[in-house]
Amino acid sequence: NAGVTQTPKFQVLKTGQSMTLQCAQDMNHEYMSWYRQDPGMGLRLIHYSVGAGITDQGEVPNGYNVSRSTTEDFPLRLLSAAPSQTSVYFCASSYSGGAGTGELFFGEGSRLTVL
Amino acid sequence: GENVEQHPSTLSVQEGDSAVIKCTYSDSASNYFPWYKQELGKGPQLIIDIRSNVGEKKDQRIAVTLNKTAKHFSLHITETQPEDSAVYFCAAPTDSSNFGNEKLTFGTGTRLTIIP
Repeated sequence: NAGVTQTPKFQVLKTGQSMTLQCAQDMNHEYMSWYRQDPGMGLRLIHYSVGAGITDQGEVPNGYNVSRSTTEDFPLRLLSAAPSQTSVYFCASSYSGGAGTGELFFGEGSRLTVL
Repeated sequence: GENVEQHPSTLSVQEGDSAVIKCTYSDSASNYFPWYKQELGKGPQLIIDIRSNVGEKKDQRIAVTLNKTAKHFSLHITETQPEDSAVYFCAAPTDSSNFGNEKLTFGTGTRLTIIP
């Protein structure tokens, strides 16, 4: 199993440009999520999904869109990039099986710089 | 929603000594408390977790303790080694009604450096 795969690993954008960060998992996990990591602020939840066709907002959703058309994929879209979106982005997935579960499996991250 | 505070933000210990990282949480209904380790250039990885029905859990050199009355939990690493150098995050469920515990609020992280 490859686990959680994120692409690209690095990206530089200009203000106003759009792009999509890709996330794919091959563990048949129902739950997928996107976090951003900024110095001194830990990991903050952007959007999450509990299954195909279902998405919801996290703590910092503004400026980001998501969709979940398949169990495997959960892309994160930046419609009009801003310098405040410069960050490291992590995709994470989990088997959503109720009590006794909860471990998040993270990708290796995508470092985004917006100029 | 849950609020998780983590201290210290940086910690340096001599190789072989112990390290302790502490976290507090706000939602008394929270019942699951994981710890994640992030090595340089990698994503976080679960190293240990504890549920509210126990006060302590050990796994070789690492242990987690939980005080539900005071709403705090701690990570203890004994006999530290160079490979323990990393950033450590505590977490708690964002929504206590989240049955699966996947939706987590993370602390701000502790950068642990082991001095050879």
